[in-house]
Amino acid sequence: EIVLTQSPGTLSLSPGERATLSCRASQSVSSIYLAWYQQKPGQAPRLLIYGASSRATGIPDRFSGSGSGADFTLTISRLEPEDFAVYYCQQHGHSPWTFGQGTKVEIK
Amino acid sequence: QVQLVQSGAEVTKPGASVKVSCKASGYTFTNYYIHWVRQAPGQGLEWIGVIDPRGGSTVYAQKWQGRVTMTRDTSTSTVYMELSSLRSDDTAVFYCARAAAVSCFDPWGQGTLVTVSS
Repeated sequence: EIVLTQSPGTLSLSPGERATLSCRASQSVSSIYLAWYQQKPGQAPRLLIYGASSRATGIPDRFSGSGSGADFTLTISRLEPEDFAVYYCQQHGHSPWTFGQGTKVEIK
Repeated sequence: QVQLVQSGAEVTKPGASVKVSCKASGYTFTNYYIHWVRQAPGQGLEWIGVIDPRGGSTVYAQKWQGRVTMTRDTSTSTVYMELSSLRSDDTAVFYCARAAAVSCFDPWGQGTLVTVSS
């Protein structure tokens, strides 16, 4: 099983600041099989990034993904009020599909 | 538009079973897999398993084998997940999500809260 470790657990930032979230895999993951999701309280997760760096439909360009091998990053260039949420990375290339434990981006 | 609509919240007792449904619309039902994901209160996302609506084949996470059964009804474009031998720590929100083969999950259903309590 591929274990995904996200860091930090919580990120306290102000609107307008840059957020950098990390996702590290226990073994190499092909970039095409790495996705990021956003989840707000009481809502289902929403796909943000697929293929490590491609934005899903309707996702603003302040969200960007990068990385390869075992290290991946989600960057939010300038935080908007609606971006404060929990973010999960996922690998979907090897069964069992696995998620990171999540990074909470909270208002400072 | 593509949509997955899940059945409503359930309250059930320890030892019982529960069956949650996920009705798909807006696309060809048999062209995409349906995955199920669990989220315990205040916790992260845990993959349970997947069903191929075309033939009904399933793959379950090892942890859930023996307790989960996924089925589908192509006439109504609905997938079902049944969990048996429920325990209080099974209390969680269960999501269904669509995926192409070896693809990410998009979209997700709205979630179904299953509460296990005596």
